Amino acid sequence: SQTIHQWPATLVQPVGSPLSLECTVEGTSNPNLYWYRQAAGRGLQLLFYSVGIGQISSEVPQNLSASRPQDRQFILSSKKLLLSDSGFYLCAWDTSGSYFSQETQYFGPGTRLLVL
Amino acid sequence: SQQGEEDPQALSIQEGENATMNCSYKTSINNLQWYRQNSGRGLVHLILIRSNEREKHSGRLRVTLDTSKKSSSLLITASRAADTASYFCATSGTYKYIFGTGTRLKVLA
Repeated sequence: SQTIHQWPATLVQPVGSPLSLECTVEGTSNPNLYWYRQAAGRGLQLLFYSVGIGQISSEVPQNLSASRPQDRQFILSSKKLLLSDSGFYLCAWDTSGSYFSQETQYFGPGTRLLVL
Repeated sequence: SQQGEEDPQALSIQEGENATMNCSYKTSINNLQWYRQNSGRGLVHLILIRSNEREKHSGRLRVTLDTSKKSSSLLITASRAADTASYFCATSGTYKYIFGTGTRLKVLA
């Protein structure tokens, strides 16, 4: 069966420090991968998605970047964190090949980031 | 901005009652999905309804879709305390899902 891991679960970082959040998927090949941010009590904002190794699409201009060094690994990074980067970060995957309509996403447990 | 908007934003009911949440969206869709999120956790897919379907059932869940009104509803029957969570609708396009702002459901025992 497929599983998705995220770490760390919680992170407290000072403003200006770097960030690296990791997401890995097991039990599937060539997934589409996604990073979302969720502000407290709000919906999900799509940050990045990737349809293959080295292929990253950014949805909103921001202080963050993403990379996909391996098929089932997705990394969210920042060189210098801002206070506004605080939030709940969720990684998700779905099956590739459904170009015109995605159907079901599978989410990781999330990372809560607090920038002080 | 989020395409989906859920209504109400928050809902509090007694155990055993039914809970109804609504979702509106703006563009044409191929399908609409509902997800559940327990506090501080990831989202879990509940049910998907396609644009050519009007109603779908899964256990205690009933979803309706009205494409003419660009709206969907999620009904949870005979609610339980364990149903306490946030519920989100999502529409999907090319590699993108657009999530609504969610309805926070609290079921009182």
